[in-house]
Amino acid sequence: SQKIEQNSEALNIQEGKTATLTCNYTNYSPAYLQWYRQDPGRGPVFLLLIRENEKEKRKERLKVTFDTTLKQSLFHITASQPADSATYLCALDPLDSSYKLIFGSGTRLLVRP
Amino acid sequence: NAGVTQTPKFQVLKTGQSMTLQCAQDMNHEYMSWYRQDPGMGLRLIHYSVGAGITDQGEVPNGYNVSRSTTEDFPLRLLSAAPSQTSVYFCASREGQGGYNEQFFGPGTRLTVL
Repeated sequence: SQKIEQNSEALNIQEGKTATLTCNYTNYSPAYLQWYRQDPGRGPVFLLLIRENEKEKRKERLKVTFDTTLKQSLFHITASQPADSATYLCALDPLDSSYKLIFGSGTRLLVRP
Repeated sequence: NAGVTQTPKFQVLKTGQSMTLQCAQDMNHEYMSWYRQDPGMGLRLIHYSVGAGITDQGEVPNGYNVSRSTTEDFPLRLLSAAPSQTSVYFCASREGQGGYNEQFFGPGTRLTVL
């Protein structure tokens, strides 16, 4: 079956450290993978998109990698801050001509001061 | 631009009641969709639309209807509410159909069915 999996356990790290979140997928061959941030009581907000032919994408303190062989994307936040505490969701287009965007269940990140 | 707006923010219904969740966007986006979000389940797609007059089902369409008479509006109707429909509902839009387009979300509607 098709699945997108993100670690359901919260990631708890110290301020200043690098946070690394994982998104694994099964039985999909996406051309694009997206990452979103969601704060409590709010809708998700787009952060980054990476294409299948890009190994890495950066935006300020954020870095995303995309390994189509491992079927995995890693999302890194360097020099993390308490304000980075949120839930992070990955999403992909299943390329089945349905135009859907399928989301993982998200990983909650807690950055301790 | 207001982006994607949703009303109401909160709603309590009794089992069997019907209601419409409103969604509007002012970005002239062709693609709009409805998701529900439950603890541990992530965002699940209910219905989506690739343009005015065109709608299709997502992963969990049962108990919900949609229509798209204009580019701007995409209401979600609950025909006969059930406790299993207690959830947070998000409307979203994006410029085109491809996975290379970022998706914009509304603030959500928290629905409780008693």
